[in-house]
This record gives sequence, structure tokens and C-alpha cells, in this order.
Amino acid sequence: QVQLVQSGAEVKKPGASVKVSCKASGYTFTSYGISWVRQAPGQGLEWMGWISAYNGNTNYAQKLQGRVTMTTDTSTSTAYMELRSLRSDDTAVYYCAREYYDSSGYSIDYWGQGTLVTVSS
Amino acid sequence: QTVVTQEPSLTVSPGGTVTLTCASSTGAVTSGYYPNWFQQKPGQAPRALIYSTSNKHSWTPARFSGSLLGGKAALTLSGVQPEDEAEYYCLLYYGGAVVFGGGTKLTVL
Repeated sequence: QVQLVQSGAEVKKPGASVKVSCKASGYTFTSYGISWVRQAPGQGLEWMGWISAYNGNTNYAQKLQGRVTMTTDTSTSTAYMELRSLRSDDTAVYYCAREYYDSSGYSIDYWGQGTLVTVSS
Repeated sequence: QTVVTQEPSLTVSPGGTVTLTCASSTGAVTSGYYPNWFQQKPGQAPRALIYSTSNKHSWTPARFSGSLLGGKAALTLSGVQPEDEAEYYCLLYYGGAVVFGGGTKLTVL
């Protein structure tokens, strides 16, 4: 069965960086992309960006350009999301999700369990 | 800055029918925006329900359906169950970028 298992909760100081991992299993990793989505406390979902596990192509949300980097390690079927220069409003649960796009449609189907990142001095 | 708008809250009686909508600040929503719908309950990760306007995932209950309605994407729940009480989010695809709606809190009362 498809699973996305994320790394554990993190507490970071303002200005620091965080790197969250997302290990995939149960499917051919390179046949799908991974989207990263975050959710601040009591707020809605915010798309952060996407990476192709096939060729490493990325597309980041404009507001995070320059602070976020998404990578994959195909040898371990793991995706990573690094966010730099953390601020208090980056405090959120960070999710990875499997996505698929072709000429007939776009789908996000399976989600990781979420990783709480707390930014506090 | 593209904004995707959903009803903040809706209330429905058990067994009833309710339609949630998803509008784009860029104009009418078409199938080319590949609308997706998700359900999220407190403390849980979102769960995918609908993709590319009207396609169901293998786990999506039959009472959930997706469509385009009056220039918006729509999610209709028919024969609502108490366990359908949740937050519902739509997603629209803008040629590589994705925007989520603000969510609709559905109360079953």
C-alpha cells in the first residue's frame, strides 16, 4: 500500500533552517511528483511547491521563492523540503503529498502524516 | 495573486444534500483547472476525495460527487452522514502552480 512517512517534529529559532523528509513506499517513486503543503495553526492549506521525482524539476510558490528547496533521493525513495531564514509565521504542520499530472488531469492522492515545525525564540 | 474562494461555512441535516463551491479570482473555473477536493478532520491529514473535476479515488464514498456549476467547481454530498462533518478544501491547478481554497467548514446538524 502507498505510504508517505515524514520525519518528526522540529523546534527551531528564528533565522534557522529546517529540513523535513518524506519517505515513500508502495509505488514506483519516480513515476510521480511530490507536493509540499503547509498548514498554520487554525488556518487553511497552503501549497508550497512541487518536485518531480523523475527528473528533479521543481516549481515553488512565489512567496517562498529563495527560501525553499525541494530535493529527492531516488535511491531511498525519499523527498526533502528545506526552508531557510525561518520566521514565527512559518510555524505550521508541513505535509508531503503524492501528485500526478498528465494531459488528462491532475491529482493529489496520498498524504504524509504531517510534521509540526515550531519557530520560536 | 490568485485567490480561490469557498463558502466559509455550511450546515446540512443528516440525510440531506449540500453543494460546496470553489471560485477563481481569474474567472470561470473550467476542467483545465483540474479541480481537486479534500476532506480534513481535526488533527488529521487531508484526505483526497475528487480529482480532475469529477473523478473519484478508489476510497471515495459514492455520496460524494464533483462537477462544474455556474463557472465554479462544485462538490455535492448526497445523503449526508454525521461523519461527513469536516473541513473541505478545493484545489485549482494553474499551469504548474497550485492554489488551495480557504476551506468550507461543513456542520451536520
